[in-house]
Amino acid sequence: ETGVTQSPTHLIKTRGQQVTLRCSSQSGHNTVSWYQQALGQGPQFIFQYYREEENGRGNFPPRFSGLQFPNYSSELNVNALELDDSALYLCASKTGLAGGSSYNEQFFGPGTRLTVL
Amino acid sequence: KQEVTQIPAALSVPEGENLVLNCSFTDSAIYNLQWFRQDPGKGLTSLLLIQSSQREQTSGRLNASLDKSSGRSTLYIAASQPGDSATYLCAVKFTNAGKSTFGDGTTLTVKP
Repeated sequence: ETGVTQSPTHLIKTRGQQVTLRCSSQSGHNTVSWYQQALGQGPQFIFQYYREEENGRGNFPPRFSGLQFPNYSSELNVNALELDDSALYLCASKTGLAGGSSYNEQFFGPGTRLTVL
Repeated sequence: KQEVTQIPAALSVPEGENLVLNCSFTDSAIYNLQWFRQDPGKGLTSLLLIQSSQREQTSGRLNASLDKSSGRSTLYIAASQPGDSATYLCAVKFTNAGKSTFGDGTTLTVKP
């Protein structure tokens, strides 16, 4: 069974640029969530995708957007990067209906470290 | 506002000691609670998931309990080892929607 993978591992961008982060979900998982983790803090929920549709969003501005593909892999896009966007971006996948079964254990990828200069 | 708090922020113990990590949450009507381990600069490793209908889960030297009425969960680590040194995060799903709310974690150091 293949775990959650993310690419790239590290990324350095300048303020105002755009970035795309990628996530491949664990085999058999159809739901992907994205989280932002600032240094020394717990992860903050950005949004979740289930069967190619966004079905939950945290308190992040519209310049954070995403996609999920038919193979359940996902992208996180951030436009007009700001210095505060520097963080570890984590992708998590799980099986089952989004909000359905109570057996919704999340499995996380290794993350992408984004630095905005 | 639904919040998750983990106290203390850091804990240092000698090898072999049994220890308890705490997680408190503001709303007793939770959907599930998950404990994670995070090594520096790395992703999260799932340790234990407790459903809202359960009171505890065990895996090896780890035991997690859930008391919804008091808004608390504890992670018990038996016979701690230096390899247990990491940050431990608690995540609560307050509804059956996608969002999990995380605490800021407890950073554990186990000294040889």
